[in-house]
Amino acid sequence: GAVVSQHPSRVICKSGTSVKIECRSLDFQATTMFWYRQFPKQSLMLMATSNEGSKATYEQGVEKDKFLINHASLTLSTLTVTSAHPEDSSFYICSARGPPAGGLDEQFFGPGTRLTVL
Amino acid sequence: GQSLEQPSEVTAVEGAIVQINCTYQTSGFYGLSWYQQHDGGAPTFLSYNALDGLEETGRFSSFLSRSDSYGYLLLQELQMKDSASYFCAVPTGANNLFFGTGTRLTVIP
Repeated sequence: GAVVSQHPSRVICKSGTSVKIECRSLDFQATTMFWYRQFPKQSLMLMATSNEGSKATYEQGVEKDKFLINHASLTLSTLTVTSAHPEDSSFYICSARGPPAGGLDEQFFGPGTRLTVL
Repeated sequence: GQSLEQPSEVTAVEGAIVQINCTYQTSGFYGLSWYQQHDGGAPTFLSYNALDGLEETGRFSSFLSRSDSYGYLLLQELQMKDSASYFCAVPTGANNLFFGTGTRLTVIP
């Protein structure tokens, strides 16, 4: 199946700093990628949809100026958490819509990035 | 709005069968997917039902009843490695996924 990577896998930063997370589709082109956030023992919540060459679409309640998304190429999307605070500590997961298979547009998920803000 | 409700936790014995239910309320329905997620890992796709009935893939089966807004994931011959969180999810009109509340399955010897 299609492979999606994320970097870094875990990051610890000080409050007030910015952190960039990369999401790459390794063996396919992804015009659309998605960013999710998952707090401990909770479900995945969609933060935004990242479209190559255009602005991201943010879900209600997600601050676009705090969570900057750039989808500069068909294989790379980045999420930058600006001025991070402890409440931003979470598991951030990206996914990319892969090539259709059997009529199903399947999403392939990256391994996630564990962000801890001190 | 949308909601997908699942039991929060299920415990079952190795070798047994377990059923994880998902009831949904959505504006527009395109099908029901199931994902498995081990702690600290990525969700992995298990199955997808667009039509009513049972879909079988090895030890895992998934069922959908659109008239009841209900589906379930059936895991047979449980193994210790099946201990994980399981999420139902629906594609939305915006072509993304909305996930259920999740069920943490613990398999015991």
